[in-house]
Amino acid sequence: EAGVAQSPRYKIIEKRQSVAFWCNPISGHATLYWYQQILGQGPKLLIQFQNNGVVDDSQLPKDRFSAERLKGVDSTLKIQPAKLEDSAVYLCASSLEGQGGNQPQHFGDGTRLSIL
Amino acid sequence: GESVGLHLPTLSVQEGDNSIINCAYSNSASDYFIWYKQESGKGPQFIIDIRSNMDKRQGQRVTVLLNKTVKHLSLQIAATQPGDSAVYFCAENRARNAGNMLTFGGGTRLMVKP
Repeated sequence: EAGVAQSPRYKIIEKRQSVAFWCNPISGHATLYWYQQILGQGPKLLIQFQNNGVVDDSQLPKDRFSAERLKGVDSTLKIQPAKLEDSAVYLCASSLEGQGGNQPQHFGDGTRLSIL
Repeated sequence: GESVGLHLPTLSVQEGDNSIINCAYSNSASDYFIWYKQESGKGPQFIIDIRSNMDKRQGQRVTVLLNKTVKHLSLQIAATQPGDSAVYFCAENRARNAGNMLTFGGGTRLMVKP
């Protein structure tokens, strides 16, 4: 079974520029998550999709971050404009469950973003 | 490779010994718990999970213990190998009406000495 695919693996931009990350979840996984992982910390949830709908975006800084999952499969996360504190690894995860139910989330290897 | 975490609590064990990594969780409403292993430059990798109606679950070389009374979770790794060196995160999951919310702990770095 192919895992969660993310691209690019690395991205370096200057502050105030824009950047986008792409995620392809495990086939058949209804739920998709974006996390931010700052060096030395555990991942922090930014947004959760179920199919193409947003379930939770309460921790997404909506003034600069946006995400979409238009066809309920792939997803993109965008930052515009980037700030220095956005330097982190952005992880995508997916899981099987729909409504409720406990299933493990499976992670991609992330995109490491560096802001200059 | 780059470090996953620079200032994490560190557990150093000899190859072949057993390792015990501990985690305190915060939310008494959490009903599902997961341990993840994260190597440098990689995403968290699922190791084992446990639901709140259990207090112990065993996998291959790993055992998770859950003590809901004191909100404590532990991961035991038997016969630790150099390949087990990584950062380990516990995560608590609270079911909601639509999906789940996973909250990660701060992580522990496991170093295995040959």
